[in-house]
Amino acid sequence: LAKTTQPISMDSYEGQEVNITCSHNNIATNDYITWYQQFPSQGPRFIIQGYKTKVTNEVASLFIPADRKSSTLSLPRVSLSDTAVYYCLVGDDTGFQKLVFGTGTRLLVSP
Amino acid sequence: ETGVTQTPRHLVMGMTNKKSLKCEQHLGHNAMYWYKQSAKKPLELMFVYNFKEQTENNSVPSRFSPECPNSSHLFLHLHTLQPEDSALYLCASSQGTDREQYFGPGTRLTVT
Repeated sequence: LAKTTQPISMDSYEGQEVNITCSHNNIATNDYITWYQQFPSQGPRFIIQGYKTKVTNEVASLFIPADRKSSTLSLPRVSLSDTAVYYCLVGDDTGFQKLVFGTGTRLLVSP
Repeated sequence: ETGVTQTPRHLVMGMTNKKSLKCEQHLGHNAMYWYKQSAKKPLELMFVYNFKEQTENNSVPSRFSPECPNSSHLFLHLHTLQPEDSALYLCASSQGTDREQYFGPGTRLTVT
């Protein structure tokens, strides 16, 4: 079961690009990398998922190097509403993905 | 709206009470989950159901009893809880246990 390590907190300003890196040194061959966003007293919300290289959707990009031992969530031009906790998870596709949420990264976006 | 609903949103119960939390998903998913999130702690996976069969029990005390009558509904029956069980209980669903999960708004439980 791959363990993830993320910075505890990050600060940014509106309009900036934010990159949050997650380390997962023990990632297995079949593991996907998934990022979630959570606001206080709400359930996490899926942001993006990837396996290798780069994935982009309407809200974020996910960069995964060739060795897959880390990944970077990139949020372009953040706004105040992006203040939240961001979780990086790894899991396999063998049918029983065990979601182990770490402490996540608390992002604070200021005006 | 994520397509996953939970009721009640808030619950206060005594240690001798019996109550149930309900989760319903309208997404056609076949996997459902219960998580516990205590104050300022990470989410803890409690139970996983896949096609109505329980596939994971993360060493949860027996005072928490899950039930999954069909792929769209999930219950968490509570009895003789302890104050330390006070937390946000989150339900989620996914199309297959390897896919992204969609979470409900949670039930804020307070045990007095």
